[in-house]
Amino acid sequence: AQRVTQPEKLLSVFKGAPVELKCNYSYSGSPELFWYVQYSRQRLQLLLRHISRESIKGFTADLNKGETSFHLKKPFAQEEDSAMYYCALSYGNKLVFGAGTILRVKS
Amino acid sequence: DGGITQSPKYLFRKEGQNVTLSCEQNLNHDAMYWYRQDPGQGLRLIYYSQIVNDFQKGDIAEGYSVSREKKESFPLTVTSAQKNPTAFYLCASTHLAGGNNEQFFGPGTRLTVL
Repeated sequence: AQRVTQPEKLLSVFKGAPVELKCNYSYSGSPELFWYVQYSRQRLQLLLRHISRESIKGFTADLNKGETSFHLKKPFAQEEDSAMYYCALSYGNKLVFGAGTILRVKS
Repeated sequence: DGGITQSPKYLFRKEGQNVTLSCEQNLNHDAMYWYRQDPGQGLRLIYYSQIVNDFQKGDIAEGYSVSREKKESFPLTVTSAQKNPTAFYLCASTHLAGGNNEQFFGPGTRLTVL
């Protein structure tokens, strides 16, 4: 069955510190993975997807099929990065989401 | 901000009552989705529709019903059979052509059962 696991409910880092939000997936096919972000009082929005291989707001994520992971990374956290982050797996025109990780960046 | 709208923003319901949450999109998207967002559980799919007059159950459809009479509208009814309806409900939509599976989300409706 398709499953997305985000092991950390909360990740708290200081401004300027590196950030890594973990995501592991379970899927028998070829995965298509996304990171969505929800800032305070804003709607859920796409941050990045593995197919595009782009960096958005300094964040990157690499698909590791061997480890079935799609961790989200940023070398230097900023206070405006504080938000809820969801990893999601696409299959059959649907998305399955992880439980989410709250990122808090402290000054 | 157009795109996908949900109403109302807040909704209060007495036990035993049915309530309907509105979701409208002007993006000409084919597919529409309803999710429930609970702390620590992420987003769980309730129902989805890929074409007008057709819809499928998601992972937690019990106690909910939907309709898709128009492409731009996908209302969700929370019935009295839903045992724990207090939650934040999100609607989303996407194009199905081209393999782009990005979903666009509405602002959400917070339902509270009194």
